[in-house]
Amino acid sequence: NAGVMQNPRHLVRRRGQEARLRCSPMKGHSHVYWYRQLPEEGLKFMVYLQKENIIDESGMPKERFSAEFPKEGPSILRIQQVVRGDSAAYFCASSPRADSYNEQFFGPGTRLTVL
Amino acid sequence: GEDVEQSLFLSVREGDSSVINCTYTDSSSTYLYWYKQEPGAGLQLLTYIFSNMDMKQDQRLTVLLNKKDKHLSLRIADTQTGDSAIYFCAEVYNTDKLIFGTGTRLQVFP
Repeated sequence: NAGVMQNPRHLVRRRGQEARLRCSPMKGHSHVYWYRQLPEEGLKFMVYLQKENIIDESGMPKERFSAEFPKEGPSILRIQQVVRGDSAAYFCASSPRADSYNEQFFGPGTRLTVL
Repeated sequence: GEDVEQSLFLSVREGDSSVINCTYTDSSSTYLYWYKQEPGAGLQLLTYIFSNMDMKQDQRLTVLLNKKDKHLSLRIADTQTGDSAIYFCAEVYNTDKLIFGTGTRLQVFP
């Protein structure tokens, strides 16, 4: 059973371009979470999705950021018109259920660098 | 509010014990976790504790929970150079998101 997969592992964009980050959850997991880690900081929650639904997007910036988890295919985190402050590591996690235990399995992350 | 705090650095000699501390704010958290992050890698779940427990031991790892003071600690016995990493405590908030601490960078020297 492959773990959570993210691609690309490294992404370089110029200011104003779009960044698309992909996450394939573990097999059988229908809950996906995105977190952002700024340099030398902890992880901050961005968004929680189930198939075709956004459950909690309280950590997402109001502009330029969007996320989806379609019925088929990976979850996508999309950042439009990137700025230097978007440079960070973006981690995806998945879990088989949402309850008080909520063990989340993390992918290796996508490191976004904005020039 | 949601806030989890940790000390930033810890340096120990190989073979000694390491103790990493964490304070959290959400008293309704039912599970608390410790994750390990090695350079350039994702997060690996090390262990967790249920809130009705005050101690959990798992091989070289011991987790202590003081629910009254909202204090969590991770003790690593016989620390090895391979334990050098950043350690994050995390609590579950609203049964969906994890709230992470700032991370403690553990450095183990020979």
